Amino acid sequence: DTEVTQTPKHLVMGMTNKKSLKCEQHMGHRAMYWYKQKAKKPPELMFVYSYEKLSINESVPSRFSPECPNSSLLNLHLHALQPEDSAPYLCASSQGGQPGGQPQHFGDGTRLSIL
Amino acid sequence: AQRVTQPEKLLSVFKGAPVELKCNYSYSGSPELFWYVQYSRQRLQLLLRHISRESIKGFTADLNKGETSFHLKKPFAQEEDSAMYYCALRQGTYKYIFGTGTRLKVLA
Repeated sequence: DTEVTQTPKHLVMGMTNKKSLKCEQHMGHRAMYWYKQKAKKPPELMFVYSYEKLSINESVPSRFSPECPNSSLLNLHLHALQPEDSAPYLCASSQGGQPGGQPQHFGDGTRLSIL
Repeated sequence: AQRVTQPEKLLSVFKGAPVELKCNYSYSGSPELFWYVQYSRQRLQLLLRHISRESIKGFTADLNKGETSFHLKKPFAQEEDSAMYYCALRQGTYKYIFGTGTRLKVLA
């Protein structure tokens, strides 16, 4: 299995709802990432988990809460989002932090719309 | 500051013409550079990484440390090459800095 799988593909939620995005990989990768990608823009890094520990939080508002229950799974819990948070959210994974050009593998993304 | 610059937002070429997508970087250490491609309605996927010096789908990219560049080239463009291309630099252990992207349109 060489894929990163994200669910759901689309999510529409109100500003008072609580929902979660899910990401799964079975490539044995030990680093997992959440990105936000606005239309026609590059991915913006949000969070990085390394060996199931939060390594990077790019000053993301607390209404986004990541969770890494195990090495294959990454969640992004959403609560009280704003309309400007509407965007595709991408998950990625990589083998780890070793030098040597370890690339990231991306999922298809979840298209999030906040009403 | 570490930075990746892709000066062209849009590049249009005719089928069969050579293509060069520019990428310049600013990095104080030894850079690790990548090219990613995003076809319409598809996921972002790795095209090339400088360390492997390979050719994928006819594309090549050479790291030029003197000019701090990692330009992507293909001698003969094909219509299926039309996509968004991002140059990326790995900063530190886990942080990847993406350029703003270049949309390549290959015209019939």
